[in-house]
Amino acid sequence: DTTVKQNPRYKLARVGKPVNLICSQTMNHDTMYWYQKKPNQAPKLLLFYYDKILNREADTFEKFQSSRPNNSFCSLYIGSAGLEYSAMYLCASSSWGENTLYFGAGTRLSVL
Amino acid sequence: GDSVTQTEGLVTLTEGLPVMLNCTYQSTYSPFLFWYVQHLNEAPKLLLKSFTDNKRPEHQGFHATLHKSSSSFHLQKSSAQLSDSALYYCAVNNNAGAKLTFGGGTRLTVRP
Repeated sequence: DTTVKQNPRYKLARVGKPVNLICSQTMNHDTMYWYQKKPNQAPKLLLFYYDKILNREADTFEKFQSSRPNNSFCSLYIGSAGLEYSAMYLCASSSWGENTLYFGAGTRLSVL
Repeated sequence: GDSVTQTEGLVTLTEGLPVMLNCTYQSTYSPFLFWYVQHLNEAPKLLLKSFTDNKRPEHQGFHATLHKSSSSFHLQKSSAQLSDSALYYCAVNNNAGAKLTFGGGTRLTVRP
């Protein structure tokens, strides 16, 4: 079962409020990723967990936090949402070194 | 760093005509190239991948040949079907890990 699930599918947030997005996978993959996708732009890697080690991309380091309480779950946390955070957020998982990523259907975040 | 260019943002075809979606890349290391397809409201899924120069992987009627001399990995299909309507992403992995760098995507619409 190659399943990555994201909850919720749609989320509305207010400017200045925190946002927490959830992702789960059932494939026992050691690596989980979060990508941000804005209209007419390429999906952009925000961060990834390899096992328990969090790696955040340099240009978004201060904007996003994440936690991985166990192998199956990974969250993406925004401490104070701004309008610029409105986007589709895609979670993915893989076994490090196998190159193929398995994606969830995404959470569409709208910040008002 | 790695980069991927997909020159067409939108492609509209009539059913039965050939499909060609362009992808060129820049990568520091020996790259893996990927095509992902995302149908409406679904997760992006792997369509094809290649590491070997001048080999032509095929899946679901689609094929793509990695040409390292021209840094290209164009996606082709001989005859478009209505069900091929989707968003197609070309992506590169630099073999230094499982992080993918995506192109901006090409939205293919196939009409009767």
